[in-house]
Amino acid sequence: DTAVSQTPKYLVTQMGNDKSIKCEQNLGHDTMYWYKQDSKKFLKIMFSYNNKELIINETVPNRFSPKSPDKAHLNLHINSLELGDSAVYFCASSQPRGGEQYFGPGTRLTVT
Amino acid sequence: QKEVEQNSGPLSVPEGAIASLNCTYSDRGSQSFFWYRQYSGKSPELIMFIYSNGDKEDGRFTAQLNKASQYVSLLIRDSQPSDSATYLCAVNIAGGGADGLTFGKGTHLIIQP
Repeated sequence: DTAVSQTPKYLVTQMGNDKSIKCEQNLGHDTMYWYKQDSKKFLKIMFSYNNKELIINETVPNRFSPKSPDKAHLNLHINSLELGDSAVYFCASSQPRGGEQYFGPGTRLTVT
Repeated sequence: QKEVEQNSGPLSVPEGAIASLNCTYSDRGSQSFFWYRQYSGKSPELIMFIYSNGDKEDGRFTAQLNKASQYVSLLIRDSQPSDSATYLCAVNIAGGGADGLTFGKGTHLIIQP
């Protein structure tokens, strides 16, 4: 049983396009997160979200937006993709907020 | 800026020896501390967490926390080649941005057979 899953695993697209990455967790957690891991392997928080509250890291461009249809899903929408958006994006979840986080397999985004 | 610091390595340890990984953090108010293991091309895997000063043991792994010194470490006993990976220290820093974890840049550990 996969605890945190993401689709797609790989995403190759051109600059200027809009794309989405989906995330689902079956752990029953209330809080989900998106992280970005850049080419130097540095992992950085982008968003955290639960039923009531979205917290955005102030360094994230507003071209990035999380959307949650229910508490088991947190999708990431990216508008007007740029070369610098190329990275691996990880979804994670935890219970409670701030507790142990479990990561999905990652989505490798390549912008050409 | 609130940070988590790790020596990037590589740290080379002979098989069967103890691997010692270290991490310091800047925010004295931090409450939760985590160690993740990441194999190349894979996602971070939680291997230890610690919330209180002292030692916490789980199998071959021991996490050590010293809040006064703002220092957290991970010991791996009887190191195996399969332990070769990048080890990420992560801290839940209050107000550290999006209420997520702040990660160090990781220590690359190599276990030599």
